[in-house]
Amino acid sequence: DAGITQSPRHKVTETGTPVTLRCHQTENHRYMYWYRQDPGHGLRLIHYSYGVKDTDKGEVSDGYSVSRSKTEDFLLTLESATSSQTSVYFCAINTGTSGRFSGANVLTFGAGSRLTVL
Amino acid sequence: QKEVEQDPGPLSVPEGAIVSLNCTYSNSAFQYFMWYRQYSRKGPELLMYTYSSGNKEDGRFTAQVDKSSKYISLFIRDSQPSDSATYLCAMMGPSGGYQKVTFGTGTKLQVIP
Repeated sequence: DAGITQSPRHKVTETGTPVTLRCHQTENHRYMYWYRQDPGHGLRLIHYSYGVKDTDKGEVSDGYSVSRSKTEDFLLTLESATSSQTSVYFCAINTGTSGRFSGANVLTFGAGSRLTVL
Repeated sequence: QKEVEQDPGPLSVPEGAIVSLNCTYSNSAFQYFMWYRQYSRKGPELLMYTYSSGNKEDGRFTAQVDKSSKYISLFIRDSQPSDSATYLCAMMGPSGGYQKVTFGTGTKLQVIP
């Protein structure tokens, strides 16, 4: 397994509060991603990282920020949560360098963080 | 028009049937083609990937890519109730550097015992 851990797995919060989701990997992969998944929209990229302190925006980045101070951790922050950010958030890493899919340019996902903003 | 189109289903089949899941795409730069399986309230799990054109087989699963038609398929033989899940296709450009992964919206499959 790629060793991806997301925390918290479930969170309920109120509108206007800050929220941070954490993604932790154990295998030193370079590329990490945050997606959100909503009915009818599928998986949409929020932000991604290509190294420590190297991040960039995805297609739905408004209202979100990220940080990567260590290779193994990629944090997603909602500065002031809104009800439209109620979703399931998935972290993913490009595992093309080791394991079952070694040599391939493919993503392995974490188990997800279910966020409800009231 | 979306870059990747996938019929959302749901698709209901009897146990033991052969299942065919498909996606079409418009971006000729895609080189990696992936199929993910997602059980309810779980993260997507990579089933198979194919690089460029051709077929790939893994147990009961076969992935096919036809780049000339911009069409990919996943076949499941001898389908089982445990195959009931949502299947997402995904596509990516050449490796090296950041490459955007484009997902289909998923096809929900139900295998009836």
